[in-house]
Amino acid sequence: QLVLTQSPSASASLGASVKLTCTLNSGHSNYAIAWHQQQPEKGPRYLIKLNTDGSHIKGDGVPDRFSGSISGAERYLTISSLQSEDEADYYCQTWGTGIVVFGGGTKLTVL
Amino acid sequence: EVQLLESGGGLVQPGGSLRLSCAASGFSFSNYCMSWVRQAPGKGLEWVSGISGSAVNTYYADSVKGRFTISRDNSKNSLYLQMNSLRAADTAVYYCAKCGVVGKDLDALHTWGQGTMVTVSS
Repeated sequence: QLVLTQSPSASASLGASVKLTCTLNSGHSNYAIAWHQQQPEKGPRYLIKLNTDGSHIKGDGVPDRFSGSISGAERYLTISSLQSEDEADYYCQTWGTGIVVFGGGTKLTVL
Repeated sequence: EVQLLESGGGLVQPGGSLRLSCAASGFSFSNYCMSWVRQAPGKGLEWVSGISGSAVNTYYADSVKGRFTISRDNSKNSLYLQMNSLRAADTAVYYCAKCGVVGKDLDALHTWGQGTMVTVSS
């Protein structure tokens, strides 16, 4: 069973950096994932796809402040120079044979 | 510009049916897999169903298997979700989303629509 685990909440100060984590469950550490942002009262927006070959594919218009990285079963989204509009829910997503899975989401608060 | 526009949401009684549509534009629709994703009020994202570009392969979450049917009409650049035997737990905003890579059955969801609300209540 394919499972993604995210911390429910995170916070960081305006102008600082924050690193959000998404963890793949045992036996699935070689899966690619995507990160999506959902600002309050809006639909989701694709941010970046992290492939296990090291390639990352950003969405159109996504600022350079958003970047991704991988370590083992962990998938990271780093947001630098935090701005007020970065306050949002962030979801990771992966896919396997016949299934798409989302993490529970992390609510990011910009202090 | 890639655009996805959902329609067909509304209020339906438990046990009833509803058909959602998603009109796509700005890309070669038949080349890309598509998915439906829903979000219950105050909850996270839940994948509902996916379909390959050719419509040969379809996939469903366990929560909707046997009740929902995904389909597409590539001549009309449209995606559909037929929802039968609706339950209160199906109440959610339903989004259609486009895969990011040509030729895959399931993939990262690269573009999202604005969503359509489905409310199941008596």
